[in-house]
Amino acid sequence: EDQVTQSPEALRLQEGESSSLNCSYTVSGLRGLFWYRQDPGKGPEFLFTLYSAGEEKEKERLKATLTKKESFLHITAPKPEDSATYLCAVQAPDKLIFGTGTRLQVFP
Amino acid sequence: DTGVSQDPRHKITKRGQNVTFRCDPISEHNRLYWYRQTLGQGPEFLTYFQNEAQLEKSRLLSDRFSAERPKGSFSTLEIQRTEQGDSAMYLCASSPYEQYFGPGTRLTVT
Repeated sequence: EDQVTQSPEALRLQEGESSSLNCSYTVSGLRGLFWYRQDPGKGPEFLFTLYSAGEEKEKERLKATLTKKESFLHITAPKPEDSATYLCAVQAPDKLIFGTGTRLQVFP
Repeated sequence: DTGVSQDPRHKITKRGQNVTFRCDPISEHNRLYWYRQTLGQGPEFLTYFQNEAQLEKSRLLSDRFSAERPKGSFSTLEIQRTEQGDSAMYLCASSPYEQYFGPGTRLTVT
């Protein structure tokens, strides 16, 4: 069965303190791994798609990486405005299967 | 802004009533998805359209739920005889490949 597990469930960082979020997946034939950001009461906002092991993508303070079993979202020198829930999902095959997310809080 | 829009944004209804939600996708996207999200969980897939054809339905989608996408444009999701367990955020997404989500409709069943 296709499955996505994210850790940690919650993460509190001081502004400027870099860290990584983990997304472990099992899927029969990865067609894409997606990262989204979700603010409270809003829909998920698309961040990245990764297709193959070794691929990396960057956007501002965020960098996503992919291996055959997991993906990492690295946050470098975070700011309070990076506070949100970060969701990971796999394409399987015509729908997304999401993890439960990591709630990130960045405080000054 | 030409993103995905959903209406209404909030809906409060009494148990047993019917509700209908609307989603307007990004205009050039032929795929449209409905998801449901409860507190502390990721979105769960409900159903998917390619143009006007409904191609997949989740087991989560009981007989009380029905979705349409006439003419491959906007879509509606109807819930009949609502139950308290239907309380959730209902999200619509559209794609050429990456799925872009709307702001959601928050349903509260009292």
